[in-house]
Amino acid sequence: EAGVVQSPRYKIIEKKQPVAFWCNPISGHNTLYWYRQNLGQGPELLIRYENEEAVDDSQLPKDRFSAERLKGVDSTLKIQPAELGDSAVYLCASSLGTGWGQSEAFFGQGTRLTVV
Amino acid sequence: GESVGLHLPTLSVQEGDNSIINCAYSNSASDYFIWYKQESGKGPQFIIDIRSNMDKRQGQRVTVLLNKTVKHLSLQIAATQPGDSAVYFCAEITSGGYNKLIFGAGTRLAVHP
Repeated sequence: EAGVVQSPRYKIIEKKQPVAFWCNPISGHNTLYWYRQNLGQGPELLIRYENEEAVDDSQLPKDRFSAERLKGVDSTLKIQPAELGDSAVYLCASSLGTGWGQSEAFFGQGTRLTVV
Repeated sequence: GESVGLHLPTLSVQEGDNSIINCAYSNSASDYFIWYKQESGKGPQFIIDIRSNMDKRQGQRVTVLLNKTVKHLSLQIAATQPGDSAVYFCAEITSGGYNKLIFGAGTRLAVHP
């Protein structure tokens, strides 16, 4: 069974440029998460989807970040314009749901973003 | 890939010894906890979970202990192997409309032969 697939694996861009990340969750998983992980720190939640609805985007910097999950499957995360401080690993995860026995989140390998 | 544990506390153990990794969580209303293992250049990987109505749960070579009184979680790894070297994170979920998976600070486990 394929796991969570993210692309690209690495991205280097100049500041003020736009960038987009793509995530394909595990088939049948209703919950999808985007996390940002800075070096030496734990992942920080950016946004959580239940199917196609963003149920928690309180941590998403909405002035420059946007996300979508059309049809409740694949998701994209966009940054426009990127800033130097956005350099991090962006992780996508999915789970069956959020209740007991469903909450195990499976993570992709992440996209390593470097803004120069 | 780059290390994810450059600035994290490190636990160094000898191969074959038992390891205990500790975590303090923040929300007393959290009712579900998960331990994740993250190897360099990879996403976090599920190890074991525990519900708040339990105080202990065992898996293969791993045991999670939960002390709700002091909001403390621990992961015990028996007979630690070189392949266990990674950064370990605890994560908490609070149900009741607030089903957010929140990660705590990690600990880097270094296993020496």
